[in-house]
Amino acid sequence: DAGVIQSPRHEVTEMGQEVTLRCKPISGHNSLFWYRQTMMRGLELLIYFNNNVPIDDSGMPEDRFSAKMPNASFSTLKIQPSEPRDSAVYFCASSFLGTQTYEQYFGPGTRLTVT
Amino acid sequence: LAKTTQPISMDSYEGQEVNITCSHNNIATNDYITWYQQFPSQGPRFIIQGYKTKVTNEVASLFIPADRKSSTLSLPRVSLSDTAVYYCLVARGNAGNMLTFGGGTRLMVKP
Repeated sequence: DAGVIQSPRHEVTEMGQEVTLRCKPISGHNSLFWYRQTMMRGLELLIYFNNNVPIDDSGMPEDRFSAKMPNASFSTLKIQPSEPRDSAVYFCASSFLGTQTYEQYFGPGTRLTVT
Repeated sequence: LAKTTQPISMDSYEGQEVNITCSHNNIATNDYITWYQQFPSQGPRFIIQGYKTKVTNEVASLFIPADRKSSTLSLPRVSLSDTAVYYCLVARGNAGNMLTFGGGTRLMVKP
């Protein structure tokens, strides 16, 4: 298996632009997570899907952020409009919920820079 | 959420055993303890999880005392490539498989 795939790996955009980050989870996994990591705030959980349904989005910073999971093999995280404070590394992770294991598989991340 | 407390940083030398202790005083009955490792410019990677007593795999051992209010990750004979941030997390048994990451312990292995 190729693991969790994220695209793009790097994104540089100007303030006010729309940004879309993409994630392909590991086949067979039924849970998907979006995280954001910065030096100041560490690794924060933004949103969690189970069976394509958003379960907990309490970590989404504000209405400028939205996430979708139209099917089991694809998810997007959109920021519109983007701001410099959104600059961070965004990770997608997937896992299988159904056994008592808490192993999440992380993708390589998307490094977002908003100027 | 069960809050965890672990050292901000640790130094060690190649070939030594490293023990990182984490406290989680308000752990609940259904909670599991899990540890992740993160190298620079990579996503975190699962190392080990446990409920009580001792768990060992090819990478590390996890020691959990009877009261489960703390846990110790043991890395045998570390090498330079073990330099990373190590996160201790309490996985809530009733929260799906959602995890909350804290600040982690930055381990520096020196030659």
